[in-house]
Amino acid sequence: GNSVTQMEGPVTLSEEAFLTINCTYTATGYPSLFWYVQYPGEGLQLLLKATKADDKGSNKGFEATYRKETTSFHLEKGSVQVSDSAVYFCALANQGGKLIFGQGTELSVKP
Amino acid sequence: NAGVTQTPKFRVLKTGQSMTLLCAQDMNHEYMYWYRQDPGMGLRLIHYSVGEGTTAKGEVPDGYNVSRLKKQNFLLGLESAAPSQTSVYFCASSYTFSPTDTQYFGPGTRLTVL
Repeated sequence: GNSVTQMEGPVTLSEEAFLTINCTYTATGYPSLFWYVQYPGEGLQLLLKATKADDKGSNKGFEATYRKETTSFHLEKGSVQVSDSAVYFCALANQGGKLIFGQGTELSVKP
Repeated sequence: NAGVTQTPKFRVLKTGQSMTLLCAQDMNHEYMYWYRQDPGMGLRLIHYSVGEGTTAKGEVPDGYNVSRLKKQNFLLGLESAAPSQTSVYFCASSYTFSPTDTQYFGPGTRLTVL
């Protein structure tokens, strides 16, 4: 079946540090891949997505590349800010609009 | 443009009580979804709707019922609440049912069942 695995959190970084959050997936066919972010007290919002192999999604300084050979979609940012503190969810969609989520990774950025 | 709204924001129930969660969207989206979020498990799909008057089961439908009488509203019902249904519930909507489409989420309802 379809599944998403993310690196365990919480992750604590200092401001301006480099961020990587690992995400790997298992799926049949060619899923679309997403990163959603949940800021404290809010619902989820789309951060970026990629819909086919080798696509790179990017937004707000975050990037992720759809790697079919390694079934991965790792999230990266070169220099994090305190305002990036949130929970990040990797997700895939393979059967219509039904999203399959990873467990979420909490990021805390200290000044 | 409010996007996706959910009512109520918080609720405490006793075991066996019933309640209905309301989701409303003003984006004229055809597709709507209910998820639950539990610690360490991400979000899991409960039920979804592909249009007014139609609903379908998701990954964890047991103990829940849904209705989509109007295009803009999607209701989630708990007929006899159990402690295992303590969770944060999120509603979402999308314009299409394509796996490439973006889902827009509401702010969530935190439900505690004692």
